[in-house]
Amino acid sequence: DAGVTQSPTHLIKTRGQQVTLRCSPKSGHDTVSWYQQALGQGPQFIFQYYEEEERQRGNFPDRFSGHQFPNYSSELNVNALLLGDSALYLCASSRQLAGERNEQFFGPGTRLTVL
Amino acid sequence: GQSLEQPSEVTAVEGAIVQINCTYQTSGFYGLSWYQQHDGGAPTFLSYNALDGLEETGRFSSFLSRSDSYGYLLLQELQMKDSASYFCAVREGGDSWGKLQFGAGTQVVVTP
Repeated sequence: DAGVTQSPTHLIKTRGQQVTLRCSPKSGHDTVSWYQQALGQGPQFIFQYYEEEERQRGNFPDRFSGHQFPNYSSELNVNALLLGDSALYLCASSRQLAGERNEQFFGPGTRLTVL
Repeated sequence: GQSLEQPSEVTAVEGAIVQINCTYQTSGFYGLSWYQQHDGGAPTFLSYNALDGLEETGRFSSFLSRSDSYGYLLLQELQMKDSASYFCAVREGGDSWGKLQFGAGTQVVVTP
């Protein structure tokens, strides 16, 4: 049973460019959440997708957008990259009907460096 | 404002017991989760408390006091492999599946 997978593992971009990160959820999961983790900090919630719609959003600008496909995989897009966007981007999957444990399964992340 | 406070680092020897405290101030509260993250790795789920009291899972236990906005993670019989960062995270609402607010993390260093 494959866990959460993300691609690419590492990425280097320059300021002003655009980037797309990809995530495949754990088998049987229908909800994907994206987090940004700066070095030495906890993950910060960006947004969540369920049934191909953005259901919740954290305090991130509109430069951050996403998409969920019918097979539940998801993309995170960031436009007009800033140096401060350099971080580890984590994808987490879960099932809406998983019960009260609210367990999130995280992928290994994509390390984005903006120069 | 919204915040979660936890110590930045804890050091202990193998076999010891470590308690990581977490106090929170959030706009809503539905439950408190704990995650472990090794350097370069993905966060992995350890436990979840929605109600007051102690939850035990093997060597790890988690406690919650909703009235005190406080919880802790207890790591017993510490092993070298327990060296990692530990995060508390609040689920703010009953419909907020997946939206977790994380603390800054506690780095646990286990020494021989």
